[in-house]
Amino acid sequence: DQQVKQNSPSLSVQEGRISILNCDYTNSMFDYFLWYKKYPAEGPTFLISISSIKDKNEDGRFTVFLNKSAKHLSLHIVPSQPGDSAVYFCAAVGYGGATNKLIFGTGTLLAVQP
Amino acid sequence: DTEVTQTPKHLVMGMTNKKSLKCEQHMGHRAMYWYKQKAKKPPELMFVYSYEKLSINESVPSRFSPECPNSSLLNLHLHALQPEDSALYLCASSQAQGPYNEQFFGPGTRLTVL
Repeated sequence: DQQVKQNSPSLSVQEGRISILNCDYTNSMFDYFLWYKKYPAEGPTFLISISSIKDKNEDGRFTVFLNKSAKHLSLHIVPSQPGDSAVYFCAAVGYGGATNKLIFGTGTLLAVQP
Repeated sequence: DTEVTQTPKHLVMGMTNKKSLKCEQHMGHRAMYWYKQKAKKPPELMFVYSYEKLSINESVPSRFSPECPNSSLLNLHLHALQPEDSALYLCASSQAQGPYNEQFFGPGTRLTVL
């Protein structure tokens, strides 16, 4: 049972345009969401996060939007750059106080074309 | 130093072998994690150590034995593995165990069980 889903396994975008990566979750008890970026032969790198009390968080070119009623979040990258080409994982933290268990989505491979 | 290192990068072992994976961080983090990632799947949590004590074991088979000899080191001892245990094993650390602590990941060890 996949609690965090990324339905697009891949996405191709032109350099300079917007990349939109989507993520859906099923568990309403999730209260914190993160995006990780992974290059080949490297571990995931934290990118940006959002708490369930917010609906938007912005950091430079990266913005994450959270729609709790739809159990949906998205990552916007503007403008996209070739160096952004990587696998992007959405992750959710299970509610439980001291538990820091990340539940990852299946990932979306972003290819930014020059 | 914001790096988590893992050795070896690649490991091939037979089903009767005993081997160990090593993970090291010098960020003063007191929580360390082992994840398993199969091809085209998200990382899945195996173990969490908090202040050198095993905090979470996600019902991992006993052929995987974690060890945290000190606050900087985390080992995963492997014995009598099965071919289906072939995967990327990721180590991560965070300042403390808790839902809002960013996890830093190592590059992983690619394990093949013959």
